[in-house]
Amino acid sequence: DVKVTQSSRYLVKRTGEKVFLECVQDMDHENMFWYRQDPGLGLRLIYFSYDVKMKEKGDIPEGYSVSREKKERFSLILESASTNQTSMYLCASSSQGNEQYFGPGTRLTVT
Amino acid sequence: AQSVTQPDIHITVSEGASLELRCNYSYGATPYLFWYVQSPGQGLQLLLKYFSGDTLVQGIKGFEAEFKRSQSSFNLRKPSVHWSDAAEYFCAVALRVSGNTGKLIFGQGTTLQVKP
Repeated sequence: DVKVTQSSRYLVKRTGEKVFLECVQDMDHENMFWYRQDPGLGLRLIYFSYDVKMKEKGDIPEGYSVSREKKERFSLILESASTNQTSMYLCASSSQGNEQYFGPGTRLTVT
Repeated sequence: AQSVTQPDIHITVSEGASLELRCNYSYGATPYLFWYVQSPGQGLQLLLKYFSGDTLVQGIKGFEAEFKRSQSSFNLRKPSVHWSDAAEYFCAVALRVSGNTGKLIFGQGTTLQVKP
């Protein structure tokens, strides 16, 4: 079974803090994705990566950055957390078939 | 622009009743379509997918979906709902962005409540 893990299930941070969300997949997938999920808005793509050290902006990249130094790991960085970044963050990975496998999510609260 | 619409935000059905969740998409080419389910506090799990071929697709947990090109729809169905089906359901279409990389465009989701 494909496994996508995320470093934390719940996270509470203060405004202005730098926040790292980590995602690891064990299926040697080329592609990895970061989404945020908000009620009534579904999932919105923040960034994705199709190879090590490669990244592409998604639909809502403002306020976020990413890092992919190894194929299995994709990190989402909030340089200076703000309250409007309180959300559920979901990581996913895929190979060539477009089918994405999701992690359990990290619920981030910024106070 | 490509988009996915799930017209029903919230649906309530009785246990044992049939279920249909609606999904309409806007996409110029032949779409790759997916249904995912999300239980409370969990990530998304793939229920089924359509790439090509038979327009009636079978998935896990007794779900099926039918691709209708003429109606730009990909509705999810289950003949008899169980209490454990209560969850949020997402329809998605894949948009190829480069090479072998596709990104998913999701609908807003439909929350299913099951009455005993």
